[in-house]
Amino acid sequence: NAGVTQTPKFQVLKTGQSMTLQCAQDMNHEYMSWYRQDPGMGLRLIHYSVGAGITDQGEVPNGYNVSRSTTEDFPLRLLSAAPSQTSVYFCASRGPGGAGGSGEQYFGPGTRLTVT
Amino acid sequence: AQSVAQPEDQVNVAEGNPLTVKCTYSVSGNPYLFWYVQYPNRGLQFLLKYITGDNLVKGSYGFEAEFNKSQTSFHLKKPSALVSDSALYFCAVRDLGGSYIPTFGRGTSLIVHP
Repeated sequence: NAGVTQTPKFQVLKTGQSMTLQCAQDMNHEYMSWYRQDPGMGLRLIHYSVGAGITDQGEVPNGYNVSRSTTEDFPLRLLSAAPSQTSVYFCASRGPGGAGGSGEQYFGPGTRLTVT
Repeated sequence: AQSVAQPEDQVNVAEGNPLTVKCTYSVSGNPYLFWYVQYPNRGLQFLLKYITGDNLVKGSYGFEAEFNKSQTSFHLKKPSALVSDSALYFCAVRDLGGSYIPTFGRGTSLIVHP
């Protein structure tokens, strides 16, 4: 298994540009999520999905869109990039882990985004 | 509501000494508790979790954590630190009776000195 993969690894955007961060997992996990990591802020949840066709907002959803057309893929779209979106972005998936959904999360390697 | 706190931004320890990284939590029901480690320029990796049962949980790389319900804590420990343990450590909690989404602490930077 490749686990969780993310592309690209690095990206530089100009203010106002749009782009899509790709995320894929090959573990047949229903739950997937996007986080951003900023110094001193820990991990903040952007959007998540509990299965194909179902998405919901996390803590910091503004400026981002997601869709989940398949179990495997969960792309994150930046609609009009702003310098405040400069961050490291992580995608994660989680298996059921038994009764009650106790599974741990598997994280991708991250995308380092700079908006100038 | 659920929350988690890692009271120390940084922990320094000498190689060979025991280490502790602290985590306290708040949930309204029963907690699922997790520890993850992040090495530089990498994604988070799962270390261990507490779901139910034995309060002492053993995980990867010789780490263990003790669940203490009365103190609402889940401190990460290792008997003998290695320089290679230097990394960022995150505690996470999910309320079994509440949110489907885990809450992460802000992370603790562990520095092990040779």
